Amino acid sequence: GQNIDQPTEMTATEGAIVQINCTYQTSGFNGLFWYQQHAGEAPTFLSYNVLDGLEEKGRFSSFLSRSKGYSYLLLKELQMKDSASYLCAVRVSSWGKFQFGAGTQVVVTP
Amino acid sequence: EAGVAQSPRYKIIEKRQSVAFWCNPISGHATLYWYQQILGQGPKLLIQFQNNGVVDDSQLPKDRFSAERLKGVDSTLKIQPAKLEDSAVYLCASSKLTGSVETQYFGPGTRLLVL
Repeated sequence: GQNIDQPTEMTATEGAIVQINCTYQTSGFNGLFWYQQHAGEAPTFLSYNVLDGLEEKGRFSSFLSRSKGYSYLLLKELQMKDSASYLCAVRVSSWGKFQFGAGTQVVVTP
Repeated sequence: EAGVAQSPRYKIIEKRQSVAFWCNPISGHATLYWYQQILGQGPKLLIQFQNNGVVDDSQLPKDRFSAERLKGVDSTLKIQPAKLEDSAVYLCASSKLTGSVETQYFGPGTRLLVL
């Protein structure tokens, strides 16, 4: 079966760094995506990894190790507006099917 | 560029009633997805269209759910009859392959409450 695991909740202080881990076991792999979802809103795209290594996009970075079935999203210089759920998703097929994790709720405190 | 449009935004019905949701994807996006997101969970794919053909509907409860995408643009998702466990947010997304990256763009969702 398909399995994507990420922690349920993380709390961090404004200005700090938080790392959200995601492990996956899927029948196929064509890329790993991270989405941000604020309460009551739709998910929005943050980052994409298909090759091993680190992708940096401003305050957000994402890392992938395909051999370990592992990714993380790193949020730096946390701001209050970063309080949201962060979804890890694997594109399991070449024709676009995505499998989502349950999401990690990040709470940023003053 | 206009985003993915969905309507209605909210719907409250009683169990055993029928309901329909509408989605208009981003112009030019060939792939359209319907997801069900239950509170506290990640989105679960119900059905995926490529143009007006079904690519994947393996997780669609076909005894009560149906979807169509006529002319390869707008799509409707129908539930008939609804059950209490269908209470969820129904998200529509569309995507387009740019180089090697296929990024999904989500609509605002329809929040369904079945009483």
